[in-house]
Amino acid sequence: DAGVTQSPTHLIKTRGQQVTLRCSPKSGHDTVSWYQQALGQGPQFIFQYYEEEERQRGNFPDRFSGHQFPNYSSELNVNALLLGDSALYLCASSLSNRAEYYGYTFGSGTRLTVV
Amino acid sequence: AQKITQTQPGMFVQEKEAVTLDCTYDTSDPSYGLFWYKQPSSGEMIFLIYQGSYDQQNATEGRYSLNFQKARKSANLVISASQLGDSAMYFCAMREGVYSSASKIIFGSGTRLSIRP
Repeated sequence: DAGVTQSPTHLIKTRGQQVTLRCSPKSGHDTVSWYQQALGQGPQFIFQYYEEEERQRGNFPDRFSGHQFPNYSSELNVNALLLGDSALYLCASSLSNRAEYYGYTFGSGTRLTVV
Repeated sequence: AQKITQTQPGMFVQEKEAVTLDCTYDTSDPSYGLFWYKQPSSGEMIFLIYQGSYDQQNATEGRYSLNFQKARKSANLVISASQLGDSAMYFCAMREGVYSSASKIIFGSGTRLSIRP
């Protein structure tokens, strides 16, 4: 049973560029959440997608946007990259239609470096 | 607003000793869930243990136990008989609403645990 898959694993971009990160949820999961984790800090919630719509959003600017596809996979897009966007981006999946006692299943993340 | 506080940035423990990682939380919702995750250098967040706000007993999962003190809003992780492979970052996390996966999970700042041989 495949877990959460994220691609690419590493990425280097230049300030001002745009980036797209991808996530395939664990088999059977229908909800995807994205987190940004700066070096030495805890993950910060960006947003959550369910039924192809953004259900919740954290305190991130509109430069951060996302999408969820009918197969539940998801993309995170960041426009006009800043140096401060350099971080590990984590995708987490979960199942919405039953009591979920065990939180999320996380991927290994995409490490984004902005230069 | 919900908040998680971990006051130990780093800890060193001798192999085979027990270790307690501290976590305090704040929420106005009477229904919430508390989690502990382990993050090795590979980056993946690994679920360790869960405690619901209405659970009467402290959660246990193998060598992991959660010391849940509701009145103090404390949810410390206890690792018994530590192993070299326990060296990692540990995050305490919380979700408001026990029975809803729709609520977001928020994380503390983490504790880096290093096990000495």
